[in-house]
Amino acid sequence: ILNVEQSPQSLHVQEGDSTNFTCSFPSSNFYALHWYRWETAKSPEALFVMTLNGDEKKKGRISATLNTKEGYSYLYIKGSQPEDSATYLCAFIGTGANNLFFGTGTRLTVIP
Amino acid sequence: EPEVTQTPSHQVTQMGQEVILRCVPISNHLYFYWYRQILGQKVEFLVSFYNNEISEKSEIFDDQFSVERPDGSNFTLKIRSTKLEDSAMYFCASSKWGPRGLEEPGNTIYFGEGSWLTVV
Repeated sequence: ILNVEQSPQSLHVQEGDSTNFTCSFPSSNFYALHWYRWETAKSPEALFVMTLNGDEKKKGRISATLNTKEGYSYLYIKGSQPEDSATYLCAFIGTGANNLFFGTGTRLTVIP
Repeated sequence: EPEVTQTPSHQVTQMGQEVILRCVPISNHLYFYWYRQILGQKVEFLVSFYNNEISEKSEIFDDQFSVERPDGSNFTLKIRSTKLEDSAMYFCASSKWGPRGLEEPGNTIYFGEGSWLTVV
């Protein structure tokens, strides 16, 4: 069983604040790291798939970075809005098993 | 936006009963998956399915579980004799190519909204 950890578990921020959270994963046998956004009562939605060390991806106000050598990825949200409130999940794919190993998620609440 | 649909959204069942959870994946997708999340725990992989057979399965997916694609559109998960610890949210997902191709443009894994299973 692969250890994929996310921190913090939950986070409350004021509207307009920028925030970030962490996903840590095994640094060996890395293939890809995924980020998903999961709103309550909806399906998890793919945000980013990252494969290269040093990769940085951006989608609107959300961006992510990847460090495969030390086994972590950061997700950043600039100028948080109430509609950003969701659970953010990361998932790791290794070169061994051909499936996603998820972290526990970070639950973000943006207070208007 | 394409979507994966799941039924039922919520099912309560007695321990020992059989349960079938249904999923309609996106029509041109070739890979299908079931994941589950027990309340307060991580989303866990159960099984992947490709070319009408199981591609990969986890330790959780024991003899009590089975999957089927009976008619070319539905993808079902059957739990033969439910236990209390099977209570979880079960997610179906599909993708055009396998998990190691998800970094390719246009190949995204789509999840359904989940089926809550409560075993009493």
